[in-house]
Amino acid sequence: GAVVSQHPSWVICKSGTSVKIECRSLDFQATTMFWYRQFPKQSLMLMATSNEGSKATYEQGVEKDKFLINHASLTLSTLTVTSAHPEDSSFYICSAREGSGPHEQYFGPGTRLTVT
Amino acid sequence: DAKTTQPPSMDCAEGRAANLPCNHSTISGNEYVYWYRQIHSQGPQYIIHGLKNNETNEMASLIITEDRKSSTLILPHATLRDTAVYYCIVRVVADSWGKFQFGAGTQVVVTP
Repeated sequence: GAVVSQHPSWVICKSGTSVKIECRSLDFQATTMFWYRQFPKQSLMLMATSNEGSKATYEQGVEKDKFLINHASLTLSTLTVTSAHPEDSSFYICSAREGSGPHEQYFGPGTRLTVT
Repeated sequence: DAKTTQPPSMDCAEGRAANLPCNHSTISGNEYVYWYRQIHSQGPQYIIHGLKNNETNEMASLIITEDRKSSTLILPHATLRDTAVYYCIVRVVADSWGKFQFGAGTQVVVTP
């Protein structure tokens, strides 16, 4: 099946700094990529949707200036958490989708962010 | 997208079939049913999806009722590695962006 990777798998940063997380589709071209956040013992919450070459569309309540998303190519999307705070500590997961229609999404392994 | 209702937890004996129900009584005619699972601290894994007909693949079977208001995911021979949270999601096929909204899912624990 299709493979989606994320880098890094975990990261610890200090409060006030920015952190970039990469999401790559390894063996297919992802027309659409999604970013989710998951707090402990909770379900995944969709943060934003991005199409290659377009601005991301953010879900209600997600600050677009804080969570910068770039989808520069059909195989790479990045999420930058700017001016991170301890409450941003979470498990961030990306997914990628090939084409349109009832295609399944393929999820990355996730990135554990801890802000100290 | 239609909301889904799943039991919060379920236990299953290793080697037995696991039947996971999902209620989606407000599903529309153009919405597909998807099943994913998430093993602890990993990204969700695709299992199966369907529209009207029952579907089967190497991982599981999906049974959708005739009125499409509910479905059942069947893991034919559960193993310890099937312990995970299972999510049932419905999504509008015409939504070219294909957003998924995850519910709480069912925590399945397979015991020896």
